[in-house]
Amino acid sequence: GQNIDQPTEMTATEGAIVQINCTYQTSGFNGLFWYQQHAGEAPTFLSYNVLDGLEEKGRFSSFLSRSIGYSYLLLKELQMKDSASYLCAVMDSNYQLIWGAGTKLIIKP
Amino acid sequence: GAVVSQHPSWVICKSGTSVKIECRSLDFQATTMFWYRQFPKQSLMLMATSNEGSKATYEQGVEKDKFLINHASLTLSTLTVTSAHPEDSSFYICSARDPATGVDTGELFFGEGSRLTVL
Repeated sequence: GQNIDQPTEMTATEGAIVQINCTYQTSGFNGLFWYQQHAGEAPTFLSYNVLDGLEEKGRFSSFLSRSIGYSYLLLKELQMKDSASYLCAVMDSNYQLIWGAGTKLIIKP
Repeated sequence: GAVVSQHPSWVICKSGTSVKIECRSLDFQATTMFWYRQFPKQSLMLMATSNEGSKATYEQGVEKDKFLINHASLTLSTLTVTSAHPEDSSFYICSARDPATGVDTGELFFGEGSRLTVL
């Protein structure tokens, strides 16, 4: 079956760095996405990785290793507004998005 | 970036009534839109893929007669929850990919979501 695993909840301190991991097992691979979702709102696109390596975009970076089915989202200089759920999603061989359950990130002052 | 707008944001209805949710792409034409449902503290679940000018493709386990999807134009898709019951209460989200940019970036643009509460 297809499966996306990410931690349920993480806590970090304002100004610090946090890494949210995502492992996946899917039928084929056509890219991995990270989305941010604040409570009661729709997800917002953060990143898309289809090749191995690190993609940096401001305070957020996303890494992909296809050989081991692994990705992480790295958030630097954490701000209180970064408190949200972070969703990992993989597009399979049928171009269907398989969603993880999300990681709730709690930022403390 | 491209904008997708959903309406209404909140809707409360009585059990047995039908509710229509609209999803519009405001500055691009979307031949395909996706409808998701999200229960509290759970992942997004794809319900169906809406194709302009043709029938929607429903995911396994989603009742096509209960969740009617119409994609009559390149900028509008509607989801109608027919004979709604309390277990249909959920957060419904639509998304679309801008053909001009989304194909390369893989980015999906999401509507604001519609929270349905069935009493």
